[in-house]
Amino acid sequence: GAVVSQHPSRVICKSGTSVKIECRSLDFQATTMFWYRQFPKQSLMLMATSNEGSKATYEQGVEKDKFLINHASLTLSTLTVTSAHPEDSSFYICSARDIQAPDRGYTFGSGTRLTVV
Amino acid sequence: EDKVVQSPLSLVVHEGDTVTLNCSYEVTNFRSLLWYKQEKKAPTFLFMLTSSGIEKKSGRLSSILDKKELFSILNITATQTGDSAIYLCAVEALRLTGGGNKLTFGTGTQLKVEL
Repeated sequence: GAVVSQHPSRVICKSGTSVKIECRSLDFQATTMFWYRQFPKQSLMLMATSNEGSKATYEQGVEKDKFLINHASLTLSTLTVTSAHPEDSSFYICSARDIQAPDRGYTFGSGTRLTVV
Repeated sequence: EDKVVQSPLSLVVHEGDTVTLNCSYEVTNFRSLLWYKQEKKAPTFLFMLTSSGIEKKSGRLSSILDKKELFSILNITATQTGDSAIYLCAVEALRLTGGGNKLTFGTGTQLKVEL
């Protein structure tokens, strides 16, 4: 149980274009999902918390207009990197928690490796 | 600002050795401490600890939390090459603004188990 699916796993895009990443909870509903960014050999940094039916909560220093988050249903959250630049190249990963099984902690998607050229 | 510090940053051991990974934290409104194993992609859940002094065990892995001294350890006995990974410690805390909880991760411990 508690599977989180993230797509795409890898994407290469041109500078200035936008990229959408999807995060789905497959076997549970998630009113809240979390988006992280991980640079090489560094830990996961929380970017924002996605809330179903309401605005996302962004961490300090994360540009809301650059990283658009939509959580339109109880099983889907999307992160759109707008006008991507090479410095946005990173590993993006989402997570969610099955509130019916809180002892299992947070489940992570398999991540998206974004390369902006 | 919440902080999670892991040590050592990296570790190389031989198969069969026992390792202890450390995690200390400073957070406001602590809820739980979680350990994850990250190989190539997604971190996989190992343990969630909420109470002091109660050891959680899964096979060769075990973990314990000390809420007074604000740290946790993750033990791996009889290590195998398949244990090679980054081990991440994260602390869940109640968010002061915006509601809900958030996880703060440590930088991780890179463990390499050699034959």
